[in-house]
Amino acid sequence: AQSVTQPDIHITVSEGASLELRCNYSYGATPYLFWYVQSPGQGLQLLLKYFSGDTLVQGIKGFEAEFKRSQSSFNLRKPSVHWSDAAEYFCAVGAYVGGGSQGNLIFGKGTKLSVKP
Amino acid sequence: KAGVTQTPRYLIKTRGQQVTLSCSPISGHRSVSWYQQTPGQGLQFLFEYFSETQRNKGNFPGRFSGRQFSNSRSEMNVSTLELGDSALYLCASSLAGGREYEQYFGPGTRLTVT
Repeated sequence: AQSVTQPDIHITVSEGASLELRCNYSYGATPYLFWYVQSPGQGLQLLLKYFSGDTLVQGIKGFEAEFKRSQSSFNLRKPSVHWSDAAEYFCAVGAYVGGGSQGNLIFGKGTKLSVKP
Repeated sequence: KAGVTQTPRYLIKTRGQQVTLSCSPISGHRSVSWYQQTPGQGLQFLFEYFSETQRNKGNFPGRFSGRQFSNSRSEMNVSTLELGDSALYLCASSLAGGREYEQYFGPGTRLTVT
């Protein structure tokens, strides 16, 4: 079954420190992977996506993610965290049902990021 | 280009009632998906509509239904509300549906069932 695991429920980092949020997926075919961010009381904003090609993808707000097929991982990174990055982050995989792609995402449980001043 | 809009933003209903939520996708997008977000279960897929047809459905009871209009706007309906239906309901639109297309989310409708 397709699934996404985010091992860290809550992470606290100091402002200016680097960040890495972990994401592991279980998938039988080439995955379509996404990272979203959700601020309190808001919807989800797409940070970046991986479909194919270069395994290091750049996103908005200075985020990047690296796809590692051998480790079934798609970790999100940022070299220097800002206080405004405090939010919840969700990793997702585009589902594959039956013989064709379907329009739904399978999400991890999310990682809540707190930023210390 | 305007983003995905959802109305209403907040809703309080009583057990046993029914509710209808509305979603207007980004202009030109033909696929609309609905998700339920709760603290316990996280983000769960409800259903997806494309060109007025339900193309995919998640594992939810029949009390949850939806539809899509010719202008791609979508509604979802929950009948006979239960306390466990309290959640943030998120709508997402994409150009054509399918896992290879980015989904853009609206701000959600916060439903509270008392």
